Amino acid sequence: GENVEQHPSTLSVQEGDSAVIKCTYSDSASNYFPWYKQELGKGPQLIIDIRSNVGEKKDQRIAVTLNKTAKHFSLHITETQPEDSAVYFCAVPARGYSTLTFGKGTMLLVSP
Amino acid sequence: NAGVTQTPKFQVLKTGQSMTLQCAQDMNHEYMSWYRQDPGMGLRLIHYSVGAGITDQGEVPNGYNVSRSTTEDFPLRLLSAAPSQTSVYFCASSYIAPTGQDSPLHFGNGTRLTVT
Repeated sequence: GENVEQHPSTLSVQEGDSAVIKCTYSDSASNYFPWYKQELGKGPQLIIDIRSNVGEKKDQRIAVTLNKTAKHFSLHITETQPEDSAVYFCAVPARGYSTLTFGKGTMLLVSP
Repeated sequence: NAGVTQTPKFQVLKTGQSMTLQCAQDMNHEYMSWYRQDPGMGLRLIHYSVGAGITDQGEVPNGYNVSRSTTEDFPLRLLSAAPSQTSVYFCASSYIAPTGQDSPLHFGNGTRLTVT
């Protein structure tokens, strides 16, 4: 099955700094790359996604970049704020319709 | 619009007991799925459904049963609970995009299950 590696597992930054989380995947046929944010006690929520025909996508302070040749994609958060503190998951499509294989998650801590 | 609702929020079971985790969505989504989340393991797919009457196994299906009799509901059954099933369980739903492309998963807030 699809294998997804996510790094780092924890990331601590100061408010205002940038944060980058990277994922690598094994199946070159993957064509959809979402990122989810999970706050304490809640379910994951989609924050941004990218499809394989695009190299970069931005939404305000967050962006995702995709390198299909190297089979990796990254989440970039600029001007981090304390409310960005959460666990972030990357994912790629699994074998079933509308199912995903998730990375193991990155705990981001933004200190004021 | 409640989205995806999971009940109960917390449950403690003894080894060998059975129970059903409930999941309901009010968005008329065709696709529904169950994931379990364990520390350091991310989310792993248990079972999924592409519509009423159709279910299939995911990555970690052993010990779990599902059925989908309506579009709205997708219960997860543990027939004989084991300590290894201690986890947080998430239900998700999504729609069929007109383009056929993947659409976002909408998650419930989870059920925290402890098996002693």
